[in-house]
Amino acid sequence: DTGVSQDPRHKITKRGQNVTFRCDPISEHNRLYWYRQTLGQGPEFLTYFQNEAQLEKSRLLSDRFSAERPKGSFSTLEIQRTEQGDSAMYLCASSRRTGPYEQYFGPGTRLTVT
Amino acid sequence: TQLLEQSPQFLSIQEGENLTVYCNSSSVFSSLQWYRQEPGEGPVLLVTVVTGGEVKKLKRLTFQFGDARKDSSLHITAAQPGDTGLYLCAGPGSSNTGKLIFGQGTTLQVKP
Repeated sequence: DTGVSQDPRHKITKRGQNVTFRCDPISEHNRLYWYRQTLGQGPEFLTYFQNEAQLEKSRLLSDRFSAERPKGSFSTLEIQRTEQGDSAMYLCASSRRTGPYEQYFGPGTRLTVT
Repeated sequence: TQLLEQSPQFLSIQEGENLTVYCNSSSVFSSLQWYRQEPGEGPVLLVTVVTGGEVKKLKRLTFQFGDARKDSSLHITAAQPGDTGLYLCAGPGSSNTGKLIFGQGTTLQVKP
């Protein structure tokens, strides 16, 4: 396994700008998750893909957030009209379809909105 | 609503000491995972416990799943500075999608 990769690792943007993050999961994993983590807290679930289908979205995922996984491989998370409250670490994880839901996380993208 | 509560939230100890971190819930979980996270990095999976009463060991780390599958503990023997980090417990939510519910984490600092 090459592991889950995320790009970029850090993003600084001005309020109101759009940003897009990419996640490449472990190749044989068909489940992909996005989480958000603020300082001193555990990650919070944002959305889940099984293959290319987005099957669950958290209420945390406002209309400004959109996620895609067009070919069931990599995924993108876009935030439109960023707000200072969007500043957080955005984590991607992947897992196999079966088993005790073990998830493997990428290094995260640290977003700072100024 | 499924919640996981970890205690303590912060722990600062000297090298060589032992410690225990607790993860509690009022809900039953089919499994629990423990992760360790370093600043600026993603969580790294340490262990998964599945069976009530299960005990797993990973070098100096001992993980236990409660008999009723509502709680878990992590015990570290003879802590080392390399053990410093944020320890997170997590369990699958009730939607069968595999999304994880995380505790708020325990920040461990081991001083040399």
